[in-house]
Amino acid sequence: EAGVTQSPRYAVLQEGQAVSFWCDPISGHDTLYWYQQPRDQGPQLLVYFRDEAVIDNSQLPSDRFSAVRPKGTNSTLKIQSAKQGDTATYLCASSPGGEQYFGPGTRLTVL
Amino acid sequence: GQQVQQSPASLVLQEGENAELQCNFSTSLNSMQWFYQRPGGSLVSLFYNPSGTKHSGRLTSTTVIKERRSSLHISSSQTTDSGTYLCALEHNSAGNKLTFGIGTRVLVRP
Repeated sequence: EAGVTQSPRYAVLQEGQAVSFWCDPISGHDTLYWYQQPRDQGPQLLVYFRDEAVIDNSQLPSDRFSAVRPKGTNSTLKIQSAKQGDTATYLCASSPGGEQYFGPGTRLTVL
Repeated sequence: GQQVQQSPASLVLQEGENAELQCNFSTSLNSMQWFYQRPGGSLVSLFYNPSGTKHSGRLTSTTVIKERRSSLHISSSQTTDSGTYLCALEHNSAGNKLTFGIGTRVLVRP
């Protein structure tokens, strides 16, 4: 069974540029999570979906970040106008309920 | 305050030594999930443990809800165990969100 896949694996941007991250969860998992992990810290939840519905986006900086999961399968996280403080690894996880399974992450550097 | 606290922050072991990593939490939980992460690597799930003791090879996880703690025991450590170990509390309200600790960095020397 394929695990959670993410792309790209790495991204380097100048401040002010936009970037999108893509996540393909494990087939059949109805819940999908996006986390931000700054260097040397634990991951912090940004947003999560059950099927196509956003359940909690309270930690998502809504002025520059957006996330969608239109068909309840793949998801895209987008950053408009990136800032240096967005430098981190962005992790996607999926779950059938309970245990979460993580993808390899996208390491973002904003110069 | 912090909902999940891990200790120690870092640990150096000689190969073959045992180690115990602690995770204390301040809120009610559905479960505790333990992860392993290499520098720049993904999170590998080690245990999903709502209560009691679970074993996997040289690793043992114990969660004691009444005492609000969970531990990860590594026996007969190997150099390949080096990395960061993270515990994450799965909340029992609203959607199984995980709140992570900051992690314990483990270095096993040959």
